[in-house]
Amino acid sequence: DAKTTQPTSMDCAEGRAANLPCNHSTISGNEYVYWYRQIHSQGPQYIIHGLKNNETNEMASLIITEDRKSSTLILPHATLRDTAVYYCIVRPRDNNNDMRFGAGTRLTVKP
Amino acid sequence: KAGVTQTPRYLIKTRGQQVTLSCSPISGHRSVSWYQQTPGQGLQFLFEYFSETQRNKGNFPGRFSGRQFSNSRSEMNVSTLELGDSALYLCASSPGGTGKETQYFGPGTRLLVL
Repeated sequence: DAKTTQPTSMDCAEGRAANLPCNHSTISGNEYVYWYRQIHSQGPQYIIHGLKNNETNEMASLIITEDRKSSTLILPHATLRDTAVYYCIVRPRDNNNDMRFGAGTRLTVKP
Repeated sequence: KAGVTQTPRYLIKTRGQQVTLSCSPISGHRSVSWYQQTPGQGLQFLFEYFSETQRNKGNFPGRFSGRQFSNSRSEMNVSTLELGDSALYLCASSPGGTGKETQYFGPGTRLLVL
């Protein structure tokens, strides 16, 4: 079973920031928060991950609350190509095969 | 750097047949993992190979097998296909053997069993 809870779907206007929330209230100290996205049944694409600090890369920012029980993925300027299912995953630090994808959030970016 | 590649992208087989899927990891990556993704069960781990050895195995029957070659390319075989084997089969690679690294997925092979 997935260890995370995400909204089923969200809409975002093109050019605006998309903020995707994720709850992981049972996360333990040795588990990462990972985000992947999947476009139209292609393979999942890695976006970003973090342990307890906020992270930023060329694709997105990840904000993790201080108690680590929730996080938010931010796509700063959403484009139509960002329309996808976004998965938030809690994964042990030393077992990258233990990835339990839930239903994810279907993000639709609208013109 | 080229990403993970998988061939073929689509396959149609009939029950009882066998199938072999191929995966080429990102250059320099030595760990290759295989997953099955279905709408009902989500993403399920099949097995992981590192340095030509199976290091981790999920909870799938022995009909599912794999191997890895010295160049880190990997193949997965499914024998005696069943209707329930219809799925998207994903391969993911990571740099090394610690289990800590990020996995990068290929585009997948969509298998339909009739």
